[in-house]
Amino acid sequence: NAGVMQNPRHLVRRRGQEARLRCSPMKGHSHVYWYRQLPEEGLKFMVYLQKENIIDESGMPKERFSAEFPKEGPSILRIQQVVRGDSAAYFCASSTLPISGPNNEQFFGPGTRLTVL
Amino acid sequence: QQQVKQSPQSLIVQKGGIPIINCAYENTAFDYFPWYQQFPGKGPALLIAIRPDVSEKKEGRFTISFNKSAKQFSLHIMDSQPGDSATYFCAASNNAGNMLTFGGGTRLMVKP
Repeated sequence: NAGVMQNPRHLVRRRGQEARLRCSPMKGHSHVYWYRQLPEEGLKFMVYLQKENIIDESGMPKERFSAEFPKEGPSILRIQQVVRGDSAAYFCASSTLPISGPNNEQFFGPGTRLTVL
Repeated sequence: QQQVKQSPQSLIVQKGGIPIINCAYENTAFDYFPWYQQFPGKGPALLIAIRPDVSEKKEGRFTISFNKSAKQFSLHIMDSQPGDSATYFCAASNNAGNMLTFGGGTRLMVKP
């Protein structure tokens, strides 16, 4: 059973370009979470999705950032018109249930390291 | 209200020592407290987690102590090894279950 997969692992973009980060959850997992980690800091929640639904996007910047989790295919985090401050590691996690359930866990992918030149 | 404060930021111990990492939270609605281990270039991996109905949980060399009244919890690593050198994050979640709120991380180095 493959773990959470993210690609690309490293992404370099110039200011103003678009960045698309992909996340394939673990098999059987229908809950996906995106987090951002700045250098030397903890992870910050961005968005929580289930298939075809955004459940909580309270951590998403209001502009330029969007996320989706279509019925088929991976979850996508999209950053339009990137700026240098978007440079960070972006992690995706998946779970079978919301994490408040018993015996639950969020499994994290290896992350995508975005560098904006 | 959502903040989780973690200390120390960095920690150096000798092999066999017992590093202790502390976290404090404010939101009394938090009811799930996991600890994650992260190696450079990798994603966080769950080490151990606790819910507030118990004051201590032990799994192998890792122990969580939980003080509900003080709103604090800590991670103890028994007989630490150089392979334990990593960054450790505490986290917390409430019963809405939508997100983990992470502490700032502790960079642990275990010297041979």
